[in-house]
Amino acid sequence: GAVVSQHPSRVICKSGTSVKIECRSLDFQATTMFWYRQFPKQSLMLMATSNEGSKATYEQGVEKDKFLINHASLTLSTLTVTSAHPEDSSFYICSARRRNTEAFFGQGTRLTVV
Amino acid sequence: KQEVTQIPAALSVPEGENLVLNCSFTDSAIYNLQWFRQDPGKGLTSLLLIQSSQREQTSGRLNASLDKSSGRSTLYIAASQPGDSATYLCAVLNDYKLSFGAGTTVTVRA
Repeated sequence: GAVVSQHPSRVICKSGTSVKIECRSLDFQATTMFWYRQFPKQSLMLMATSNEGSKATYEQGVEKDKFLINHASLTLSTLTVTSAHPEDSSFYICSARRRNTEAFFGQGTRLTVV
Repeated sequence: KQEVTQIPAALSVPEGENLVLNCSFTDSAIYNLQWFRQDPGKGLTSLLLIQSSQREQTSGRLNASLDKSSGRSTLYIAASQPGDSATYLCAVLNDYKLSFGAGTTVTVRA
């Protein structure tokens, strides 16, 4: 199956700093990528849909100024958590899929804000 | 809004027993349904994808059925092994978005 690479797998940052997470589709071009957040023992919550060459579409309740998404190419999307606070600590996962087909996920990033 | 429910939330079985995991969804207008496996602290691994026009998919010891009209899917894992211990998530695709259930955490005892 297709491979989606997410980096870093773990990051610890100080409160008030920004953290960038990268998501790459390694063997297909993804016009759309998705960013999810997962709390312990809960399901994945869609944060935003990242569209190559245009602005991301954010889900209701997700602060677009805090979670900056850039989809600069057909194989790379980035999520930047700006001015991170402890409540932003979570597991973030990206996904890529071809139109209405099988979705492939990155390995996730565990963010801890201290 | 699509709601996806997985029952049971947790399951513990002895090695060799067959596993039955249930997934239900409220909006039957789906493009496809996908089953994933998630190990602790890891991302999701796709197990099976069932298109809306299909009734089931099989891969090795895994078999997934789909009854779109009743909004249900079942994942069967035959002859379970300790390595099958993980959380299993189902997700349905409609309106270009994936909606996930909360998962079933499976423990297979050796």
